[in-house]
Amino acid sequence: RKEVEQDPGPFNVPEGATVAFNCTYSNSASQSFFWYRQDCRKEPKLLMSVYSSGNEDGRFTAQLNRASQYISLLIRDSKLSDSATYLCVVNGHTGRRALTFGSGTRLQVQP
Amino acid sequence: GAVVSQHPSWVICKSGTSVKIECRSLDFQATTMFWYRQFPKQSLMLMATSNEGSKATYEQGVEKDKFLINHASLTLSTLTVTSAHPEDSSFYICSAPGAGWTEAFFGQGTRLTVV
Repeated sequence: RKEVEQDPGPFNVPEGATVAFNCTYSNSASQSFFWYRQDCRKEPKLLMSVYSSGNEDGRFTAQLNRASQYISLLIRDSKLSDSATYLCVVNGHTGRRALTFGSGTRLQVQP
Repeated sequence: GAVVSQHPSWVICKSGTSVKIECRSLDFQATTMFWYRQFPKQSLMLMATSNEGSKATYEQGVEKDKFLINHASLTLSTLTVTSAHPEDSSFYICSAPGAGWTEAFFGQGTRLTVV
């Protein structure tokens, strides 16, 4: 089983749509959780950290359920510029500081 | 924020040759550098962890004699792909951890094509 699993995608949505990404992680000792965005042939960039209480940043809302080992990302009012691959990322289990990445879900927002 | 500069951004080489990729921390000291590899449509996979002044730690299945890592100073870590083969063609990217578990600073990545 992969350490971090995501929806396979790709998601093709019209501008203005709301889109949700889901992710599960296998190691209950994981300490930190993130969503990264990766554009084609570029380095991943931090979109937002994910906290147990849930957190929001503009059109983006992230949720964490530690009991279910489940992470989600909601994008509202999607823009063309949101088209990218969204990576679910965890950190901190077994003392390892390297990030563990999900395989990513590709989002294509269409006009 | 902290910056990690990675070079080259892309390289094409012939089978059997070696390629060196450099990652420099520009405004901070990176005692640790993580090296990842990403094949098309796949996740970033950790290859190895380099530590300044000591031997790198390799992930299972990564050949240490093929992927040579050197971390000779607090601002420079290098990955050398030796005797490159077409199956080594991939996107290689370095990352330095920030404070605690919450930050990671990525290089720009190197796209290697072996022909």
